[in-house]
Amino acid sequence: QKEVEQNSGPLSVPEGAIASLNCTYSDRGSQSFFWYRQYSGKSPELIMFIYSNGDKEDGRFTAQLNKASQYVSLLIRDSQPSDSATYLCAVSPYNTDKLIFGTGTRLQVFP
Amino acid sequence: DAMVIQNPRYQVTQFGKPVTLSCSQTLNHNVMYWYQQKSSQAPKLLFHYYDKDFNNEADTPDNFQSRRPNTSFCFLDIRSPGLGDAAMYLCATSRHRERDYTFGSGTRLTVV
Repeated sequence: QKEVEQNSGPLSVPEGAIASLNCTYSDRGSQSFFWYRQYSGKSPELIMFIYSNGDKEDGRFTAQLNKASQYVSLLIRDSQPSDSATYLCAVSPYNTDKLIFGTGTRLQVFP
Repeated sequence: DAMVIQNPRYQVTQFGKPVTLSCSQTLNHNVMYWYQQKSSQAPKLLFHYYDKDFNNEADTPDNFQSRRPNTSFCFLDIRSPGLGDAAMYLCATSRHRERDYTFGSGTRLTVV
C-alpha cells in the first residue's frame, strides 16, 4: 500500500464548476497535510495546509480532513482554466520532518 | 527575498559521468531535502539533513550521495548516472518540526 494515494485523473471540469480532489494516506499517526499545485516542468507550490479535522477555507480553496477515515480532500470553487495543473497531496508523518507526496491528480478546466 | 536556489536549472550529463547538483538557501532553515521526480510520478524523497545529521531513505540507491558543508548549501552527487536517473531534482528546506517547506525551482537532469 502506498503511503499517500490519489487518483491520477485527468479530472475534467467546466469553467466555473467545483473541482473535488481526493487523497488517502496510510499512516494513522500523520498530523500535517498539504495540497500543492504543480504546473508542468515547475516545482510544487503550496496551496494550503490543514492540521485539524474539519474544513479550512482560503479563497476559492477548501481543504477537508477526516483523520478517522484517513482522508483529505481539496475543493476548488469557480474553477478557472488557469487552475489546470497537477495537484499533489502531501503528508508529514508523526514525529518526522519528512514530507511524503502522492502521485498527484491532473486537473483540466475547460472553457 | 529569502529563497531556495537550485543550480543549474537544466543539466545534461553523459551516461556514467559523475554529476553534482547544488542547492542554496537564504532562509536559515535547519532541514534540507532532496527529492527526485520522474515524469508523471510523485516527488520521491531521497534524503534529508537536519543540521548535519544525514537521513537516507531506505530505498535510495547507493549511486546517490549528498553533502551539506554548511547551513546554506546542500549538494546532490550522482556517481554514475544511468538513463533511469533522468528526472527533475527538487531541493526543499524547512525549520525543524515547523513544516514550513520551501521548494527550489528544480534541476531538470538529462542523461545522454
